[in-house]
Amino acid sequence: EPEVTQTPSHQVTQMGQEVILRCVPISNHLYFYWYRQILGQKVEFLVSFYNNEISEKSEIFDDQFSVERPDGSNFTLKIRSTKLEDSAMYFCASSPGRNTEAFFGQGTRLTVV
Amino acid sequence: GDSVTQMEGPVTLSEEAFLTINCTYTATGYPSLFWYVQYPGEGLQLLLKATKADDKGSNKGFEATYRKETTSFHLEKGSVQVSDSAVYFCALLFQGGSEKLVFGKGTKLTVNP
Repeated sequence: EPEVTQTPSHQVTQMGQEVILRCVPISNHLYFYWYRQILGQKVEFLVSFYNNEISEKSEIFDDQFSVERPDGSNFTLKIRSTKLEDSAMYFCASSPGRNTEAFFGQGTRLTVV
Repeated sequence: GDSVTQMEGPVTLSEEAFLTINCTYTATGYPSLFWYVQYPGEGLQLLLKATKADDKGSNKGFEATYRKETTSFHLEKGSVQVSDSAVYFCALLFQGGSEKLVFGKGTKLTVNP
């Protein structure tokens, strides 16, 4: 069964460093998303991406975040200068169309020290 | 704005007990409603969904009915198993506007043999 895959499963980085979280969405899906879950809190939407551009973003997704689809398969989230409060589980998701259910990856646990 | 309120956990049950996890929502318009499940060490998986009022979603013995009059989508299972131990997330997707899923905080279920 097709699935969304994320790498790495766990990333530890020093405050101020750049990190790139990687995702391979399901191959025939058109919409891609990043969500995050800070420990003990809700899963929060960060950004959606369609047709090679951001279609929606939350207020969390400020200038230190960016997304890219560098080739036909990968979808990345870059955090330019990490802060302690960026520590969270980051989930990538994809869906075949607009307003259809999203399929999630296993998540990347980011720890900023 | 749109929001989801879920029963606080953790919930601990014995095998074969009846499960209810309450979920209520606040939304303008008529969202689609979902239950996602996260088994230990895994990503978010769609458990069931309902796209309009009075729809019943069901999967793996779990059921939830979209109740517009009470703005609820409670998850139920008649007889839980140890393998149902997981975190359960209620979520809504507003049709026709935002593409983002809005999640509840999640309810951790532990089923003991």
